[in-house]
Amino acid sequence: SQQGEEDPQALSIQEGENATMNCSYKTSINNLQWYRQNSGRGLVHLILIRSNEREKHSGRLRVTLDTSKKSSSLLITASRAADTASYFCATSTRSGSARQLTFGSGTQLTVLP
Amino acid sequence: EAGVVQSPRYKIIEKKQPVAFWCNPISGHNTLYWYLQNLGQGPELLIRYENEEAVDDSQLPKDRFSAERLKGVDSTLKIQPAELGDSAVYLCASSLGGPGEQFFGPGTRLTVL
Repeated sequence: SQQGEEDPQALSIQEGENATMNCSYKTSINNLQWYRQNSGRGLVHLILIRSNEREKHSGRLRVTLDTSKKSSSLLITASRAADTASYFCATSTRSGSARQLTFGSGTQLTVLP
Repeated sequence: EAGVVQSPRYKIIEKKQPVAFWCNPISGHNTLYWYLQNLGQGPELLIRYENEEAVDDSQLPKDRFSAERLKGVDSTLKIQPAELGDSAVYLCASSLGGPGEQFFGPGTRLTVL
């Protein structure tokens, strides 16, 4: 079963614009991670935010976490054509195995040149 | 440092035939995961190994799927017999353990005709 749900399912923007993707989840978490998947490839880890953190930055990425609303957002600033990919949030849950990640269904981002 | 290696990358078989996928994790990673990813969905965990022990196989359809991780390094996932609904991408991932980042291989795309 999928714990996280991304919104929107698909997003198309122009190069240079910012892209925001949202993730909602159902149960308490240990941490939340974002992964990117290019077409036909495996997933690549982007960023991890712990349940006691509210915001984290990595290069052009900014992740926020609101545990009261059980939601997270991923912001990609100054997007590039190379950012075109599927983006997944994944939750590491407290109640289950801390080493198990549960993935959402993803947001397909298309950045137009 | 070499990443997670999977083979084959693509496999086409007829239904009722057996198929096997192989994974070599990153050196030193004691935790290994097999995921199933259907088109347009996020990965779903099939089985997790800690060294050579399968510690979470609750989502593995045991009537037709089997896995092994001999010597706690390489792993093989087998389906026998394959069904049409098994067509998907099978991803292998590894980690040092704990709730942190997982490293994914490129996946094996299985098509069952």
